Amino acid sequence: EPEVTQTPSHQVTQMGQEVILRCVPISNHLYFYWYRQILGQKVEFLVSFYNNEISEKSEIFDDQFSVERPDGSNFTLKIRSTKLEDSAMYFCASSEAGIGTEAFFGQGTRLTVV
Amino acid sequence: AQSVTQLDSQVPVFEEAPVELRCNYSSSVSVYLFWYVQYPNQGLQLLLKYLSGSTLVKGINGFEAEFNKSQTSFHLRKPSVHISDTAEYFCAVSDRYGQNFVFGPGTRLSVLP
Repeated sequence: EPEVTQTPSHQVTQMGQEVILRCVPISNHLYFYWYRQILGQKVEFLVSFYNNEISEKSEIFDDQFSVERPDGSNFTLKIRSTKLEDSAMYFCASSEAGIGTEAFFGQGTRLTVV
Repeated sequence: AQSVTQLDSQVPVFEEAPVELRCNYSSSVSVYLFWYVQYPNQGLQLLLKYLSGSTLVKGINGFEAEFNKSQTSFHLRKPSVHISDTAEYFCAVSDRYGQNFVFGPGTRLSVLP
């Protein structure tokens, strides 16, 4: 069964460093998403991406964040200069788009900023 | 803009008892409704979804949910829970184009022996 894969599963980085979280969405999907879940809190929408551009983003997704689809398969989230409060589980998701399609989520990358 | 409310942050229940997890939403447009489950240290897995048609939707693991448009609710139910149902449950809505998913804050279901 096709699935969304994320790497790495756990990333530890020092404050101020840049991190890139990687995702391989399901191959025939057209919409891609990043969500964040701070430990013990709700799942928060960060950004959606379609047709090689951002279609929607939340207030969380400030200038420190960027997304890219560098080739036909990968979808990356870059945090330019990490802060302690960026520590969270980051989930990538993809969907076929169109009416009523659900998002398929990856297993997440746990980012720990020290 | 859409929003989702899950009134219960935690629901403890004994094994084999019935459970209902509540979800209410607000939206100015037609929405599609979903329940996702997150087992400890895992990602999000779709339990069920409502698109149209019958308001009673059956999902995996014996769960079902009922869409009530007048009450803007989509409550999740299971007639008899198992220890393995212990997890966080998230209600979510998306717009009709499936472009944006908004999640509720989650309900932690704890099934006690």
